[in-house]
Amino acid sequence: GENVEQHPSTLSVQEGDSAVIKCTYSDSASNYFPWYKQELGKRPQLIIDIRSNVGEKKDQRIAVTLNKTAKHFSLHITETQPEDSAVYFCAASKTGAGGTSYGKLTFGQGTILTVHP
Amino acid sequence: KAGVTQTPRYLIKTRGQQVTLSCSPISGHRSVSWYQQTPGQGLQFLFEYFSETQRNKGNFPGRFSGRQFSNSRSEMNVSTLELGDSALYLCASSLVASYSDVFFGPGTRLTVL
Repeated sequence: GENVEQHPSTLSVQEGDSAVIKCTYSDSASNYFPWYKQELGKRPQLIIDIRSNVGEKKDQRIAVTLNKTAKHFSLHITETQPEDSAVYFCAASKTGAGGTSYGKLTFGQGTILTVHP
Repeated sequence: KAGVTQTPRYLIKTRGQQVTLSCSPISGHRSVSWYQQTPGQGLQFLFEYFSETQRNKGNFPGRFSGRQFSNSRSEMNVSTLELGDSALYLCASSLVASYSDVFFGPGTRLTVL
């Protein structure tokens, strides 16, 4: 089955710096790659996602890149703020695969991001 | 539009008991998935249901089961509870459509004593 590796496990930055989290996946058939932010005691919240037919996607201070050949994708957060502090999870999915899967995500291990004021 | 809801939010059980957790998806979402979150294993997929049928299953023992009703609401059941079943159980819903976003509920915190 699919395996997703995420690095680093912890990341500490100063406010205003950039943060980059990297993930690799094993199943070349995976076609959808969402990123979730989970604050302490709260549910994972979808912050951005990318499809396999797109190389890069940006939403304000957050961007995601995908390299299908190398099977890795990355989350970039610019101008970090203390409220960006949370655990970030990458995930991979074979969404719509033959009409058999829409909500099955394989998650990375998570990255604890701390932004110091 | 209301988000994914789960009940109860907290549960305390003892070893050997069974438990049933409930999930109501976002209106219009027909796919419901369940995940187990623990500090050691992270977020792990349990199973996915749509059209009242289990479509995918993760690598969990048969003590973990679920079902989906005609209104897309779902329940999961864990029988013969073990200490290691203590976890946050998250329900997620999505449209039955390619590239559909998956939204999570607040979770049920299960503690097994």
